[in-house]
Amino acid sequence: EIVMTQSPATLSVSPGERATLSCRASQSVSSNLAWYQQKPGQAPRLLIYGASTRATGIPARFSGSGSGTEFTLTISSLQSEDFAVYYCQQYNNWPPESTFGQGTKLEIK
Amino acid sequence: QITLKESGPTLVKPTQTLTLTCTFSGFSLSTSGVGVGWIRQPPGKALEWLALIYWDDDKRYSPSLKSRLTITKDTSKNQVVLTMTNMDPVDTATYYCAHKRVATRALLFDYWGQGTLVTVSS
Repeated sequence: EIVMTQSPATLSVSPGERATLSCRASQSVSSNLAWYQQKPGQAPRLLIYGASTRATGIPARFSGSGSGTEFTLTISSLQSEDFAVYYCQQYNNWPPESTFGQGTKLEIK
Repeated sequence: QITLKESGPTLVKPTQTLTLTCTFSGFSLSTSGVGVGWIRQPPGKALEWLALIYWDDDKRYSPSLKSRLTITKDTSKNQVVLTMTNMDPVDTATYYCAHKRVATRALLFDYWGQGTLVTVSS
């Protein structure tokens, strides 16, 4: 099983500043990496897939990068609605399988 | 507009079998490329993928839970059913069903239900 490790566990950033979240895979997942945002009491929302492609309706301040085992989610200028928990997910094409990271909580500084 | 909604018991006893139903609209599980999966999240913890069923009735399961899971579909009712046997308190979680992004067979989920909390306790 591919293990996904996110860092840091908690990130404190002020509104308007940039946030950088990291995700590492225990083995290469190529670009089969997604990012989700989850707010309290809500279901996850797909932000990024293919490591760097924004999902429909996702603002341009969200960007993803990386390939292989190292990935980054960057939020360029934090808005109040961006404070949430973020999960990375690897998704093998074949055979289909998936694992999630343990999450990074982005909180207001 | 794609929507999904989970339903089932909120409380089950240890060793019992859990049956959850996902009722969806805005797509058909008879359409090529479509899939519906289940993901769970224990309180305060991370997401865990459980199972997925494709339009062609191919089924995929988490290796760690495969022996306990069964996923089926009823295309005419727009429903997907997940059963999990031998429930344990560690299975207490919010269970989500989700729509797989059509462009790939990969387990990439673009629409999610609101989730249903299942508590396992005697």
